[in-house]
Amino acid sequence: GAGVSQSPSNKVTEKGKDVELRCDPISGHTALYWYRQRLGQGLEFLIYFQGNSAPDKSGLPSDRFSAERTGESVSTLTIQRTQQEDSAVYLCASSFPGTSVYEQYFGPGTRLTVT
Amino acid sequence: RKEVEQDPGPFNVPEGATVAFNCTYSNSASQSFFWYRQDCRKEPKLLMSVYSSGNEDGRFTAQLNRASQYISLLIRDSKLSDSATYLCAVTLYSGGYQKVTFGTGTKLQVIP
Repeated sequence: GAGVSQSPSNKVTEKGKDVELRCDPISGHTALYWYRQRLGQGLEFLIYFQGNSAPDKSGLPSDRFSAERTGESVSTLTIQRTQQEDSAVYLCASSFPGTSVYEQYFGPGTRLTVT
Repeated sequence: RKEVEQDPGPFNVPEGATVAFNCTYSNSASQSFFWYRQDCRKEPKLLMSVYSSGNEDGRFTAQLNRASQYISLLIRDSKLSDSATYLCAVTLYSGGYQKVTFGTGTKLQVIP
């Protein structure tokens, strides 16, 4: 079946502009995660959704970052007033926490470049 | 101490060699464990889950040592196509859900 999809695949924006990144998880996966990965670095957790609620927003780096999820499906990550330090790949992953095994399936990511 | 730690490498090994990576975790209550593979400029892909009894998938063997709080990944008969970064992931039930923490990855380069 279809995997996790993300759009756009690449986004170049000017410093100070707002951007919206979209994630479509695997159908039926109720858990959704956003991560940030800077060049050559590891995965930085941003936010976790269970259904449409976000019990863990602890990774959002500042109040310029927000995310929402609707219909227990698509999620959008919004970055306001982008800064050059926001340049990174933003990865979305989904999983089905119906068992004790929480395997995550990642989308291809959105490569954000802030100029 | 970081929650999940990995040697960043790189591990440079010749084709056909056996190589092993470890991943240590700090919280003894951690519940599920995974290995992911990430190719350059690609997303991580699940390689295998790590079960308490250890598990094998072809040339790959994963093991869990709860007493010493680490997981390992053994790759036998390394292929050029095994070159990638290997990430471990550990879950911990916290705040009503399974929190997943990734290591920063170990880079493997298989040399002809």
